[in-house]
Amino acid sequence: NAGVTQTPKFQVLKTGQSMTLQCAQDMNHNSMYWYRQDPGMGLRLIYYSASEGTTDKGEVPNGYNVSRLNKREFSLRLESAAPSQTSVYFCASRSTRDYGYTFGSGTRLTVV
Amino acid sequence: RKEVEQDPGPFNVPEGATVAFNCTYSNSASQSFFWYRQDCRKEPKLLMSVYSSGNEDGRFTAQLNRASQYISLLIRDSKLSDSATYLCVVNRAGRRALTFGSGTRLQVQP
Repeated sequence: NAGVTQTPKFQVLKTGQSMTLQCAQDMNHNSMYWYRQDPGMGLRLIYYSASEGTTDKGEVPNGYNVSRLNKREFSLRLESAAPSQTSVYFCASRSTRDYGYTFGSGTRLTVV
Repeated sequence: RKEVEQDPGPFNVPEGATVAFNCTYSNSASQSFFWYRQDCRKEPKLLMSVYSSGNEDGRFTAQLNRASQYISLLIRDSKLSDSATYLCVVNRAGRRALTFGSGTRLQVQP
């Protein structure tokens, strides 16, 4: 089982460029999440999707947009990248019947 | 004040030692608690849930004190492979997402 798959694993962007981070899960989970992780800050929630067709803002949504394309896929878009968005991004999913997340392996993004 | 607070460490301990981490949470409405483990440059992975009565999984014991709003993780007989960052995680009632602490780094030395 693949679990949660994130692409790309690494990316370098110039300030002002746009890109989409892809996430797909094959566990039939309803809920999906995007977090960013910065040194000393822990994981902070950007956006989440409780079910197909719904999305909600988390703690740090500014500068990001998301799309829940179907039950499997949840993408994160940076429309105009800024150096402050340099971070490690994790996608996660979970079934509504238990609270444990399964994380993807992460995307290391550098904005120069 | 952060919703979940942890001592960042690092905790440097010899193999075979017993080590304990504490975590405090600020919101009394928190209802589910977890410990995750994160290896360097890897994704977090669920280590164990924390139940009100306390629970054990091999060398790992988790405790919850709702009155004082803290959670603990005890690791007995530390192994080199236990070296990692341990994340304290809470789920507040009515919230659909988990809240993570910044983590406590453990380094087990030979």
